[in-house]
Amino acid sequence: DAGVTQSPTHLIKTRGQQVTLRCSPKSGHDTVSWYQQALGQGPQFIFQYYEEEERQRGNFPDRFSGHQFPNYSSELNVNALLLGDSALYLCASSRTSGESVQFFGPGTRLTVL
Amino acid sequence: AQSVSQHNHHVILSEAASLELGCNYSYGGTVNLFWYVQYPGQHLQLLLKYFSGDPLVKGIKGFEAEFIKSKFSFNLRKPSVQWSDTAEYFCAVTPSYNTDKLIFGTGTRLQVFP
Repeated sequence: DAGVTQSPTHLIKTRGQQVTLRCSPKSGHDTVSWYQQALGQGPQFIFQYYEEEERQRGNFPDRFSGHQFPNYSSELNVNALLLGDSALYLCASSRTSGESVQFFGPGTRLTVL
Repeated sequence: AQSVSQHNHHVILSEAASLELGCNYSYGGTVNLFWYVQYPGQHLQLLLKYFSGDPLVKGIKGFEAEFIKSKFSFNLRKPSVQWSDTAEYFCAVTPSYNTDKLIFGTGTRLQVFP
């Protein structure tokens, strides 16, 4: 049973560019959440997708957007990259029904130069 | 706004020592509580969780945590640590009415020496 997978593993971009990160949820999961983890910090909630719609959003600007596909996979897009966007981006998946526990993927390390 | 505090940023222990990592949260309502662990080079994994019932929760690898509602705490314990417990430990909370958004503490780095 494959867990949560993310691609790419690492990414280097320059300021002002745009980036797309991808996530495939654990089998049987229908909900995907995205988190940003800066160095030395705990993960910060960006947003969550369920039934292809953004269900809840954290305190992140509109430059951060996402999408969920019918197969439950998801993308995170960041426009107009800033140096401060350099971080580990984590995807987590869960089931909406029952006790909701989020399972995390390995993350995508984004470096903005 | 809800928040989570982990006061121990870096803990260094010898093998067989006992471990207690502190976690306090700020939220007045009913909560779900979690401890996640991140071993070197690996992704975040769930160590244990509390939703309701017995406030003493047992997790994987001999870890346990106790929910003390009056103290808004969910401390993690292990009676005897091993070198393989070296990792970063994160406490997280969600309000019971809104389980979408995990709120994490800043983490505690545990180093265990043989």
